[in-house]
Amino acid sequence: QVQLQQSGAELVKPGSSVKISCKASGYTFTSYDMHWIKQQPGNGLEWIGWIYPGNGNTKYNQKFNGKATVTADKSSSTAYMQLSSLTSEDSAVYFCARGGGFSGHYFDYWGQGVMVTVSS
Amino acid sequence: DTVLTQSPALAVSPGERVSISCWASEGVNSYMHWYQQKPGQQPKLLIYKASNLASGVPARFSGRGSGTDFTLTIDPVEADDPATYFCHQSWNDPHTFGAGTKLELK
Repeated sequence: QVQLQQSGAELVKPGSSVKISCKASGYTFTSYDMHWIKQQPGNGLEWIGWIYPGNGNTKYNQKFNGKATVTADKSSSTAYMQLSSLTSEDSAVYFCARGGGFSGHYFDYWGQGVMVTVSS
Repeated sequence: DTVLTQSPALAVSPGERVSISCWASEGVNSYMHWYQQKPGQQPKLLIYKASNLASGVPARFSGRGSGTDFTLTIDPVEADDPATYFCHQSWNDPHTFGAGTKLELK
């Protein structure tokens, strides 16, 4: 069965960076987009961007250009997202989600989420 | 960005039918999708491309719409359905989500 297992919660200092992971299993990792989504407490969902692990192509929401960098390691079927220059506005739960269907337009499987807390 | 507007909350009795609406600020073709999220959990795909039932989702859930007006219907509502329901469009860049509709039982 398809599973996306994300890394554990992070407590990080303002101005630093953090890298979170999403390990995929149960499907061919290189054949589906992997998306990243942000959810702040009490707020809705924001799409950050995606990577196609088959060729490394990426696309970002302009709002997150310079903030988020997504990568993928085909050998371990793991996607990563690095967030840089962290501020309190980056405190949120971050989900990875597989892009479903031929075009990857919807998110058919989600990781359990990683809570990132930015605090001094 | 495409703004998706949802009503904030609804309350229904078990066994009733409920419709949750999502209005897009610009056309999204049929590329509207619906998710259910319970507290402390990740969202779960219910409906993709406006009207297609995701794998394993009960047939009590259905979706319709195209262009700018979309609806998710639950009929009948069951005790397990209280949650927040989000719509998501992927036709226009960037992907955007509605703020969510919180469904409660009376």
